[in-house]
Amino acid sequence: DAKTTQPPSMDCAEGRAANLPCNHSTISGNEYVYWYRQIHSQGPQYIIHGLKNNETNEMASLIITEDRKSSTLILPHATLRDTAVYYCIVRVGTGANSKLTFGKGITLSVRP
Amino acid sequence: KAGVTQTPRYLIKTRGQQVTLSCSPISGHRSVSWYQQTPGQGLQFLFEYFSETQRNKGNFPGRFSGRQFSNSRSEMNVSTLELGDSALYLCASSQKPTATGVIGANVLTFGAGSRLTVL
Repeated sequence: DAKTTQPPSMDCAEGRAANLPCNHSTISGNEYVYWYRQIHSQGPQYIIHGLKNNETNEMASLIITEDRKSSTLILPHATLRDTAVYYCIVRVGTGANSKLTFGKGITLSVRP
Repeated sequence: KAGVTQTPRYLIKTRGQQVTLSCSPISGHRSVSWYQQTPGQGLQFLFEYFSETQRNKGNFPGRFSGRQFSNSRSEMNVSTLELGDSALYLCASSQKPTATGVIGANVLTFGAGSRLTVL
């Protein structure tokens, strides 16, 4: 019941920017978009989150469209260690029954 | 500060047995969520606890249960194990519950997981 859509995979060259898209067309006005990544068999690692404005931290930048129906995670200078599955997630459900659900994610492969 | 600690990291059980997994959240975090991850189904939400109360439950049979203690540590139990229960079980903690009406973002911090193999 994930409410986000991501392409299954993409690759980029080491040192180049990786732009990972996510569609969340049903997001409501006060819902955050969160990005996590998971390196094989480890727990997911938080990257960044945003509501309306673009956000940047030491790991990545998050660009959210004005209508908030999609976003893009940008890794400005991808390294081999950025090879992972990246999840874009939003809260699903209402009230106390809401939860953060993970879809399939996008597998990013960084090539030398 | 210390991260989310899950124990045991690896375990092997046989069908019909039961298993208990433990999760110690980050200090000050009162919400603990559990997820099951398998190659075929990906990350699936099991349940969330906040202040010792189950807030939400995913679509899993009653063999999967959990609890949370007053110090926010949580345990999950799977009874009558089946081969399909083989998975990576992940625990995540946060300061607030994942619920609408809760102001602000709710960032989850995950543990390394407990890898369960059922033979």
